[in-house]
Amino acid sequence: EPEVTQTPSHQVTQMGQEVILRCVPISNHLYFYWYRQILGQKVEFLVSFYNNEISEKSEIFDDQFSVERPDGSNFTLKIRSTKLEDSAMYFCASSVVSETQYFGPGTRLLVL
Amino acid sequence: AQSVSQHNHHVILSEAASLELGCNYSYGGTVNLFWYVQYPGQHLQLLLKYFSGDPLVKGIKGFEAEFIKSKFSFNLRKPSVQWSDTAEYFCAARGNQGGKLIFGQGTELSVKP
Repeated sequence: EPEVTQTPSHQVTQMGQEVILRCVPISNHLYFYWYRQILGQKVEFLVSFYNNEISEKSEIFDDQFSVERPDGSNFTLKIRSTKLEDSAMYFCASSVVSETQYFGPGTRLLVL
Repeated sequence: AQSVSQHNHHVILSEAASLELGCNYSYGGTVNLFWYVQYPGQHLQLLLKYFSGDPLVKGIKGFEAEFIKSKFSFNLRKPSVQWSDTAEYFCAARGNQGGKLIFGQGTELSVKP
């Protein structure tokens, strides 16, 4: 069964550094999402992406964040200058139009 | 405002006990509802979903949920839990045109063998 994959599984970085989280969505899916879960808190929506552009973003998704689909398979989330409060589990998801979203295993980001 | 709330943060049951996890939502318009499960060390997996039709939906591994529109609820049930059901369970909602999921806080279920 096709799955969403994410790399790396864990990332430790220093405050102020840039990080890129990578996702490979399911191949025939057209909608891509990033969510995050800060330890002990809800899973929160960050951004959705369709047809090579952002379709919706939350207030969390400020200028420090960007997303890109650099090729036909990868979907990336970049955090330009990480802050301590960016420490979280970041989940990528993909879906076919308005169908179920399928989630990847997540990347645990720790900002020191 | 759109929101999803789950009543229980941590539920502890013995094997063979019945399970009901509460979920209430606040959402304008037609809503799609989901239950996801996250087993230890694994990713979020879909247990079941409700889009329309029969309000009692059956999912994988013997789980079911009932959509009660008048109560804005979508509670998850299982008649007899197993140790392997130990996991975190998330209720989520979105509009019926797709788009972002709004998640509840999650309920951690621990099943004692």
